[in-house]
Amino acid sequence: GQQLNQSPQSMFIQEGEDVSMNCTSSSIFNTWLWYKQDPGEGPVLLIALYKAGELTSNGRLTAQFGITRKDSFLNISASIPSDVGIYFCAGQGKNRDDKIIFGKGTRLHILP
Amino acid sequence: NAGVMQNPRHLVRRRGQEARLRCSPMKGHSHVYWYRQLPEEGLKFMVYLQKENIIDESGMPKERFSAEFPKEGPSILRIQQVVRGDSAAYFCASSPNQVSSYEQYFGPGTRLTVT
Repeated sequence: GQQLNQSPQSMFIQEGEDVSMNCTSSSIFNTWLWYKQDPGEGPVLLIALYKAGELTSNGRLTAQFGITRKDSFLNISASIPSDVGIYFCAGQGKNRDDKIIFGKGTRLHILP
Repeated sequence: NAGVMQNPRHLVRRRGQEARLRCSPMKGHSHVYWYRQLPEEGLKFMVYLQKENIIDESGMPKERFSAEFPKEGPSILRIQQVVRGDSAAYFCASSPNQVSSYEQYFGPGTRLTVT
């Protein structure tokens, strides 16, 4: 079945630093999604990508849909304390019935 | 404009008891998805339902687990005869329709602890 490899598993950064995380798939996806999950809460959709090569921003967040359709990355610029949380990538295959597959998440920690 | 609601937020059950988890989708959403999340893991798809129909239950264990989304009322995920391995966070998500199934809005989750 389809699998997503998300890296890194965790990151420890200083406030103000930029962050980059990525996701690779064993097969092609038609849609890439990035979610953030705060402790004790459900995931919140940050960015959705629908076309290969697409680059989309949401405030300090930027995500790209890889040209091969097998990867995506998320950048966060000038990190702030509220960026702490778990970031999940997710992908959906080419059929509308395909379920969304989630990566295992990147845990972002910001050092004081 | 209420979001996806789940209750209870926390549920403790002893081994062998039944667990019932409820999910009320966002207003106007007719598609519901249930996911399970183990500690340090991503979300694993369990089941996809529309009103009165199970569309895809390929991620749900064949035994002890069932789900429904009746014409009236919330969607229910039912786990019979719970075991310790069922301890996890269970999330429900809803979407307006299948075409935009990637636009899934998640509830806050139910954290099930089996003692």
